[in-house]
Amino acid sequence: GESVGLHLPTLSVQEGDNSIINCAYSNSASDYFIWYKQESGKGPQFIIDIRSNMDKRQGQRVTVLLNKTVKHLSLQIAATQPGDSAVYFCAERLRYNNNDMRFGAGTRLTVKP
Amino acid sequence: IAGITQAPTSQILAAGRRMTLRCTQDMRHNAMYWYRQDLGLGLRLIHYSNTAGTTGKGEVPDGYSVSRANTDDFPLTLASAVPSQTSVYFCASSPTGLQPQHFGDGTRLSIL
Repeated sequence: GESVGLHLPTLSVQEGDNSIINCAYSNSASDYFIWYKQESGKGPQFIIDIRSNMDKRQGQRVTVLLNKTVKHLSLQIAATQPGDSAVYFCAERLRYNNNDMRFGAGTRLTVKP
Repeated sequence: IAGITQAPTSQILAAGRRMTLRCTQDMRHNAMYWYRQDLGLGLRLIHYSNTAGTTGKGEVPDGYSVSRANTDDFPLTLASAVPSQTSVYFCASSPTGLQPQHFGDGTRLSIL
């Protein structure tokens, strides 16, 4: 798992399996959450977002789950592919400041063929 | 292809020198941001701009300055570089502060 601001954990999965990447956030005032993917030498790329009035949101092969009770966010990737190998990190926005996005350090996902 | 262009892609700089990192976007986004990314710490906001003509301080603004003379450009200046400013710098933009940010590919800066 991952907590915003802590060390970089790793996750290794077999191609075709589902991946679950976790993020614990600490601020109950956060109202908006984003998952980003970052490939080596590239900038972060937006994957999916979710607002605090929702607990689940689905995209193409990805699902984000939000549990406000325990301040936990997860990213599920279905049928993981080698191209999914990257660092994934979550970001939270504090309710009272639209510009204050806090980013986690990330989880490195490696997909084995 | 629309997006964010950062320059230079990498730079080695002597401590005490002045350096400006350039960022240009062609998406007509109102909001722009500068972050630094250090291993194990994640992205940290340096400065931001909600619209042309306005700027604000982020989490780690000391030693950096920005300007926003127009919608497209948001340069970041290190007035007198120090080794602790060695990092990868990312510029980002979004239509407003309430939407996901689009990132450039970064500038890798080493201060010796």
